[in-house]
Formats: sequence, C-alpha cells, structure tokens
Amino acid sequence: AQKVTQAQTEISVVEKEDVTLDCVYETRDTTYYLFWYKQPPSGELVFLIRRNSFDEQNEISGRYSWNFQKSTSSFNFTITASQVVDSAVYFCALSEAGAGNNRKLIWGLGTSLAVNP
Amino acid sequence: DVKVTQSSRYLVKRTGEKVFLECVQDMDHENMFWYRQDPGLGLRLIYFSYDVKMKEKGDIPEGYSVSREKKERFSLILESASTNQTSMYLCASTNPGLSSLRSPLHFGNGTRLTVT
Repeated sequence: AQKVTQAQTEISVVEKEDVTLDCVYETRDTTYYLFWYKQPPSGELVFLIRRNSFDEQNEISGRYSWNFQKSTSSFNFTITASQVVDSAVYFCALSEAGAGNNRKLIWGLGTSLAVNP
Repeated sequence: DVKVTQSSRYLVKRTGEKVFLECVQDMDHENMFWYRQDPGLGLRLIYFSYDVKMKEKGDIPEGYSVSREKKERFSLILESASTNQTSMYLCASTNPGLSSLRSPLHFGNGTRLTVT
C-alpha cells in the first residue's frame, strides 16, 4: 500500500544545531514524485522541494539539503545551523498516478520542529 | 506569486448550521482542493476539482459538498455542521501542466472552524 511515514512527531533543538527530518515512503509505482512542505505557525503550507523517482541526486539550497535514497525508500531533509524561523511543521508527501485525471497525493503526518534560542 | 485566499481565518458556527468556506486563487489554476487538518491525522483530502463544475470526492467527503462555478473559486459547504467537523480547513490549487504528478500545491492560510 502507498504510505508516507514521518516517524518523528516532534523534534526540539537549540539554535545552530543541525537537524534531520526523516521521511520513508512505500509505493508500487516506478514513476512518482516526493515533496517537502513547511507549515509555519501562520498556517499556510509552503512548497520546499520536489524530487522525481528517476533523480537520486541530492539537493542543497542554502541551509537546507535533501537526501533521496531509493534503496531505502527515504527522502530525508536536513537543516544545517537551525534558526528560530525554522520552527514549523514539516510534511513529506508522495505523488503517484491516481485514477482518472488526477494524481494521488499521500501525506505523512508531519514533524513538528521547535528551534529554541 | 500565486495567491490562494481563504475568506475567513477563524469561524465559529453552531451545530446544524449551513457553513460556506470560500477559496479564491488568482493564477488561473485548473485544479483546486479542500483538505482538513487534524492533530495526529495529518492532511486529509475532502474534495477536489479539476475544472469548472467538475468535482471528485477525496478520502473523507461525508458531510461535505463543494461548488466550483468559476475557475478561480472553490467553495466547501457543510450542509449541517456537526461538532466533529471542528477542524482546520486548507484550500490549495495547482496547474497540472504536462503532468499532474509533479506540480506542487499552493495553499491558503487555512480556516479554523469551530462548531459548538
């Protein structure tokens, strides 16, 4: 069955620490996309990154980096030198072909990150 | 920048009332979605629409209906609100383009609905 697991419900770190948010997925499809979204206290989910199933290259954007490993079905997200503004709920999601016109988006339950000063 | 606007940030309604949650996007997106978010349950899809007047049920459509009369507007309707519909409601939109698999969602700020 298709599934996204974010095993860490809550993480608390002190500013400037590095932190990794785990995401493990299950799918039978060979073509799929993985996403990370950030939900700050304001409530609006913000798209961070997309990765397709054929591209295992890791990505770095500033303090953010993503490690995609098909062998372990994982798409982990690391924040380097965390800041208070990184405090948010982070969601991992899997997009795969659904019936009819639309894809099916499967969400993890989210990891709540608190970065303390 | 894409803007998805939900008409109310907070809403308090009584059991049995008919409730309308409105969502407007300004980027001519074809697909629009309504999710509800609850602690421990994550995001669950209620309904989505991929064109004007077209709608499809998501994972938890019971107790809800939707309306999409214009491309930019997608309304969620609670015909008779109940306390178990107290939740955060999130609207999202996307333009599927060549592949709906890869297009990210753009979300509104959410409406926190309390039914008493």
